[in-house]
Amino acid sequence: GAVVSQHPSWVICKSGTSVKIECRSLDFQATTMFWYRQFPKQSLMLMATSNEGSKATYEQGVEKDKFLINHASLTLSTLTVTSAHPEDSSFYICSASHPTRGEQYFGPGTRLTVT
Amino acid sequence: QQQVKQSPQSLIVQKGGISIINCAYENTAFDYFPWYQQFPGKGPALLIAIRPDVSEKKEGRFTISFNKSAKQFSLHIMDSQPGDSATYFCAATVAAGNKLTFGGGTRVLVKP
Repeated sequence: GAVVSQHPSWVICKSGTSVKIECRSLDFQATTMFWYRQFPKQSLMLMATSNEGSKATYEQGVEKDKFLINHASLTLSTLTVTSAHPEDSSFYICSASHPTRGEQYFGPGTRLTVT
Repeated sequence: QQQVKQSPQSLIVQKGGISIINCAYENTAFDYFPWYQQFPGKGPALLIAIRPDVSEKKEGRFTISFNKSAKQFSLHIMDSQPGDSATYFCAATVAAGNKLTFGGGTRVLVKP
C-alpha cells in the first residue's frame, strides 16, 4: 500500500498557457501533500505544503499566484502552473504523508515542457 | 542555507562492493531521517528511515548508521548490484510527515 499517482506523466504546452497537474493518494487519505520541483541532476526543491481544506503554504521565493495549489479532498491535490514560460519547464513531483505511518510517499513525477 | 549536506556527489562501485553515502545536518530539531532512491524520470522511493534514538537500522542490503553527537548519518549498500544504480537522497525533518529537507543527492553507478 501507499501509492501516489500523478497525471499527466508528461505535458507540453505553449508559452502563456496554463497547465494543471493532479496528485492522488490511491490507497490512503492524506491530509498533507507536498509539491516539489526538480531540475536535471539536482535535488528536490520544496515548493509548497498543501493541507486539505486550507490554503497552501509556499516556500520562500515561490510565486503563489503562478503556482496555484488546491487540496480539495483527502486524496487529491492539484498544481496549476499559470501563464507558463519556458523557464517553468521542469520535473514536478508530489508527495503525500501517510496518516498512520508518517512517511512521505512520492508520485512518479510530471515532466512539463513549455515551448 | 543547505541544512543537509550529502557526499559524495557521485560514486562508482564494482558489483558486490559496498556503497557508502554520508550526510550531515545542522538543525538539532530534526528527528526523522529517511533515505530515498530515485531512478531517472521517476519519483523518489522510500528506502529506509531512522530516528535518533537508534544508532543503526538494517533492511536487507541497506543499512543506516546514525551518529547523533556528530549530527551525521550514512547509508551503506552491501553487495551492490547493477540494479542499485540510481540517485540516492538523504533527507531530514522535525517529525515524520512534515516537510523534508533533502541532501544534494549521490549518483551511484554499480559496474558489473
